[in-house]
Amino acid sequence: DQQVKQNSPSLSVQEGRISILNCDYTNSMFDYFLWYKKYPAEGPTFLISISSIKDKNEDGRFTVFLNKSAKHLSLHIVPSQPGDSAVYFCAAEGGAQKLVFGQGTRLTINP
Amino acid sequence: DAGVIQSPRHEVTEMGQEVTLRCKPISGHDYLFWYRQTMMRGLELLIYFNNNVPIDDSGMPEDRFSAKMPNASFSTLKIQPSEPRDSAVYFCASSLYGGTKQETQYFGPGTRLLVL
Repeated sequence: DQQVKQNSPSLSVQEGRISILNCDYTNSMFDYFLWYKKYPAEGPTFLISISSIKDKNEDGRFTVFLNKSAKHLSLHIVPSQPGDSAVYFCAAEGGAQKLVFGQGTRLTINP
Repeated sequence: DAGVIQSPRHEVTEMGQEVTLRCKPISGHDYLFWYRQTMMRGLELLIYFNNNVPIDDSGMPEDRFSAKMPNASFSTLKIQPSEPRDSAVYFCASSLYGGTKQETQYFGPGTRLLVL
């Protein structure tokens, strides 16, 4: 039972354009959401997060949007840069310090 | 700080052998997590500890898997006997509880396990 789903295994975007990564969840008890970024042969690193009391959080080129009614969140990267090419994991936390991760989306930024 | 340290980085073993993965969390962190990454299921939480005590091991796939944290600076994940379907990348992560919401988890570089 996959409580956090990233339905797009991969995404290809041209440099300078917007990248939009999507994530859906099923558990309405989740109250905190995070995005992690992972380069090959490295561990995931924290990118940005959002609490369920907000619907948007912005940090530089990265913005996360949360739609609680649809149980959907998205990560926007504007403008996309070659260094953004990585695997992005969506995660949700619903208490007890546990994070539930999605399968990941491989983002490729083309020059 | 050196970050979360994992060893070995790569492990190739034969079916039936015992495998031990090691992790040194960031000094001062009170939570330690073991994850497994596969293509199909992404990052799965196997077990996590708080102040060296196992809190939730519901993600451990079978009795063949066991984890220990004998002190605040060391943890092991053991698979005995190993099977080909255990082949995956295993990550260790640590975090410091911030009081109101879990702080960011810091991941190690992972151990890539191949069971032949």
